Amino acid sequence: GNSVTQMEGPVTLSEEAFLTINCTYTATGYPSLFWYVQYPGEGLQLLLKATKADDKGSNKGFEATYRKETTSFHLEKGSVQVSDSAVYFCALTDSGGGADGLTFGKGTHLIIQP
Amino acid sequence: DAGITQSPRHKVTETGTPVTLRCHQTENHRYMYWYRQDPGHGLRLIHYSYGVKDTDKGEVSDGYSVSRSKTEDFLLTLESATSSQTSVYFCAISGLAGEAYEQYFGPGTRLTVT
Repeated sequence: GNSVTQMEGPVTLSEEAFLTINCTYTATGYPSLFWYVQYPGEGLQLLLKATKADDKGSNKGFEATYRKETTSFHLEKGSVQVSDSAVYFCALTDSGGGADGLTFGKGTHLIIQP
Repeated sequence: DAGITQSPRHKVTETGTPVTLRCHQTENHRYMYWYRQDPGHGLRLIHYSYGVKDTDKGEVSDGYSVSRSKTEDFLLTLESATSSQTSVYFCAISGLAGEAYEQYFGPGTRLTVT
């Protein structure tokens, strides 16, 4: 079956530091990959996505590249801000044309200190 | 933001009682999902729907049932609530052309079973 593995944290960084959150996956087909962000007390928001190998998703300074050879989709940001403090989820869907639901990692709690 | 509402937002109930959670969308999306979020588990799919009266089970469907009689509403029922069903429940939708696999999440329902 499908699975997603990501570092759980908490990950604590200082403002303006470089961020990497690792995500690796196993899937039986050709998945689409996503990063979602959850701020305290809220639902999940789509941060970025990639639908095929070597695609780079980007949004709000965050980037992630779909690496089929290493089955990875690591999230990066060059300079984090206090407002980036949240829980980040890596996810995939392997729907093969349908929409069967997402498989999520357990989430990484990111804390940015001023 | 996608027009998704969930009701109630918070509920406390007793073991053995039935509970129904409602998800309502104004986006006319085809697919709807119910997930639960628990510490250490990320989000896990309970049930999903790919059209009116068309539903299927997810990873953690035991003890839950769903119904979808209209495109805009997707109901999740706990037939006899147990303490293990204390969780935060999220509804999601997807299905716009070109965005078939992206999911948009509601604000969540916090359910406590005592």
